[in-house]
Formats: sequence, C-alpha cells, structure tokens
Amino acid sequence: AQSVTQLGSHVSVSEGALVLLRCNYSSSVPPYLFWYVQYPNQGLQLLLKYTTGATLVKGINGFEAEFKKSETSFHLTKPSAHMSDAAEYFCAVSEGGFNKFYFGSGTKLNVKP
Amino acid sequence: GAVVSQHPSRVICKSGTSVKIECRSLDFQATTMFWYRQFPKQSLMLMATSNEGSKATYEQGVEKDKFLINHASLTLSTLTVTSAHPEDSSFYICSARSGGAINEQFFGPGTRLTVL
Repeated sequence: AQSVTQLGSHVSVSEGALVLLRCNYSSSVPPYLFWYVQYPNQGLQLLLKYTTGATLVKGINGFEAEFKKSETSFHLTKPSAHMSDAAEYFCAVSEGGFNKFYFGSGTKLNVKP
Repeated sequence: GAVVSQHPSRVICKSGTSVKIECRSLDFQATTMFWYRQFPKQSLMLMATSNEGSKATYEQGVEKDKFLINHASLTLSTLTVTSAHPEDSSFYICSARSGGAINEQFFGPGTRLTVL
C-alpha cells in the first residue's frame, strides 16, 4: 500500500532563506513521486515529478527534489525563498505509474519579509 | 501542457438538492479520470476512479449512490452529489490521465461546493 508523510504542517522561513519541505513515502512498487503547490481556493499545480532515471529532479520556480530510495524520501528544496512561494505544498505518490495518487497531509509554507 | 477544466468553479445549493460537477480534458483524450475531495485545511482524498464507458471504482467509505460518477466520453466526466447535505460541502478536484506516450495525470482547478 502507498502512503505519504509530510513532516511539519506549517513551515516558516525568511525571504531569501533555504526552503526544505520533507516528504517520506511507503510504496510496495517502484514509486512515482510528485510535488504540487496549491494557492488558496485553487487547484493543484505540478512543481516536479520523479518517475525513473536521475534522482535529482528540477522543477518550476527554482524548486528541486531528490529521490532517496534508501531513505524512502523525496524532500523538496529551494535555495532562496520568495514571498510568492507562500502556499500549501503537497507530496504525492502514485502506484504503478500515473494511477491513483496518494497525497500527504500538506505543508503550509509561510515566507516572512 | 494538457488542460483540465471544471465547471462550475463555485456552487451554492440548498440541502436536499443535487449538484452536478463537470470535468473536461480540453486538449487530450482522458482514458481515466479521478475525483478527489479536499476538506478545509486537509489533504486530497481520492473518491473514485472512472474509466470511459465503464462503471466507476469507488474508494472504501465513499457512497456510490451519493456520489454518482459518469464518464460518458473520453473528454468528459461528471460527478453528481445527490441529495446534498451541509457535510458534503467541500472542494472537489478532478484529474484526468491520458494514455499513450503522454501517460500523465493532470488536475483540474477544483469546484467549491457549499450546501446550505
């Protein structure tokens, strides 16, 4: 069975500081892993995804994530936070490709000026 | 990239009425569509998976008679919330998966349902 754990429901960083959002997963099959961002009252926007190949994945808006199989992790990072990064971020795993998605509980990122 | 639309974006209805939400893939054919529900300040929970031309597969705990899903064509799926009650108020998000070379899942913008 698949599941996703996001540590920290709220993360606060200063503008210009490193952003680190944690995601751990469990999967009985090789996982596809995703990070999405959601702004208030809007749908999901894909930041990046890992399917196969290179374990360091670069996404939009300067975000990247690294798939670490040994740690069952897929943490999201960005070197320098911007005010516009304030939003809620969801990590997701899908089983056997782009099938059912299982989402983490989300992490709300606050960026302080 | 592929675009998925939902209509309406917001709907307010009276308790006891039924509400239909449409999910359309605008520039690709969706062999499979998924419906999610998001409670306030919570994550998305998969409600059901629908394949074009066949009955939807519901997740455990989701009432199939309450949430009717129809996937009549490769570009349209509908979710009907029957006899809506205030506890059905939620944000409903659909996603569509294309087949073939671009086998990815794309999410719609969501529909905010408020039942009075």
